[in-house]
Amino acid sequence: QSVLTQPPSVSGAPGQRVTISCTGSGANIGAGYDVHWYQQLPGTAPKLLIYDSNSRPSGVPDRFSGSNSGTSASLAITGLQAEDEADYFCQSYDNTLSGPLFGGGTRLTVL
Amino acid sequence: QVQLQESGPGLVKPSETLSLTCSVSGGPLSTYYWRWIRQSPGKELEWIAFIHYSGSTRSNPSLKSRVTISSDTSKNQFSLSLRSVTAADTAVYYCTRGNYYYMDIWGKGTTVTVSS
Repeated sequence: QSVLTQPPSVSGAPGQRVTISCTGSGANIGAGYDVHWYQQLPGTAPKLLIYDSNSRPSGVPDRFSGSNSGTSASLAITGLQAEDEADYFCQSYDNTLSGPLFGGGTRLTVL
Repeated sequence: QVQLQESGPGLVKPSETLSLTCSVSGGPLSTYYWRWIRQSPGKELEWIAFIHYSGSTRSNPSLKSRVTISSDTSKNQFSLSLRSVTAADTAVYYCTRGNYYYMDIWGKGTTVTVSS
């Protein structure tokens, strides 16, 4: 099954800014559907981090932000903290699937 | 605060049927879309099916012929049946709540292994 394309891993030092990309196609992000991001801490379930491309659920720090452009989206994390070390997944609605399509996930390592 | 809890056998034999139930607490099965999502050992996430409070359902085309999703509003539960399982169905299965486009609440997940 096709997925949205994410880099397998990114890393950064505490306090730095990192970005995670998510590339789709004309059947999902390029069709104008919003991108949503999930954070999965080790051994836990995914948790909604960003919805509707750039909105944060209550309790999510404003260090996390999202943006879209064409068939791609990005998640930015500023002021990196050790507790941010996790897997991050993007997700969008896909016309071919008629349902949600996920990225392969990006492992963030805080150096 | 709405919470979801998956339950079901952790081990299923090849060719048999995987059956899971999601118990919803803290709110009714209304307004939202209730989905099953699974995560393979390689961590890929895959949408399986949804049921809407109106009763409408939809499944992932790759699994459609093997999937049944249903709900029991009297028990505030929804369920998944996946027939003719193989080792490729080994995964962590999550039940979720959301709208048409994303999932805002996830259960803790239940690990299902397909093996004889």
